[in-house]
Amino acid sequence: AQKVTQAQTEISVVEKEDVTLDCVYETRDTTYYLFWYKQPPSGELVFLIRRNSFDEQNEISGRYSWNFQKSTSSFNFTITASQVVDSAVYFCALSEALDTGNQFYFGTGTSLTVIP
Amino acid sequence: DAGVTQSPTHLIKTRGQHVTLRCSPISGHKSVSWYQQVLGQGPQFIFQYYEKEERGRGNFPDRFSARQFPNYSSELNVNALLLGDSALYLCASSRGGSGLYGYTFGSGTRLTVV
Repeated sequence: AQKVTQAQTEISVVEKEDVTLDCVYETRDTTYYLFWYKQPPSGELVFLIRRNSFDEQNEISGRYSWNFQKSTSSFNFTITASQVVDSAVYFCALSEALDTGNQFYFGTGTSLTVIP
Repeated sequence: DAGVTQSPTHLIKTRGQHVTLRCSPISGHKSVSWYQQVLGQGPQFIFQYYEKEERGRGNFPDRFSARQFPNYSSELNVNALLLGDSALYLCASSRGGSGLYGYTFGSGTRLTVV
């Protein structure tokens, strides 16, 4: 079963618009970690944010914000006032504390295009 | 400080050949993980090494193997290459062995099998 689902395959927005990327996860662990990574065309996965399962406080960091809701197993990511440089593929990932391999389960990614 | 470095950046191999990919973690990072990313998909976990011991293995055939050296660098080896092994191979390093710390990824090695 897919542990991380990103239903949005591609999104296009006009520059300065806000955009929300959806992520739904599945785990039986009570302690887990959620991440968002950005992958520009160069291929490197760039870390954006991390959230622990025991901290549901939603925060804003610059133009980034996230909405973590355990009740719906969702971890959505919002970019405010999008810029062309935000164009990339965004991945949501899950890491389970009881997993000795400490692997990340990635979603299939959402390709974001910001149109100038 | 240098980030996670991977070599080579690109390579082309023929079916049946063997390939070795290399990764140098960030200084001070003791954990290295390998991921395979097929075009259009999210990365898939292959291995994790922590303090030179294998801590996890994903659902990949025995043709895939890896090791971590005393300096914490790592190699990923793939034998008897298949066309389906064509992918971006990502290495990630972390201070500790758990997901708590998150991972820093390298730019990857793009392998094409023809």
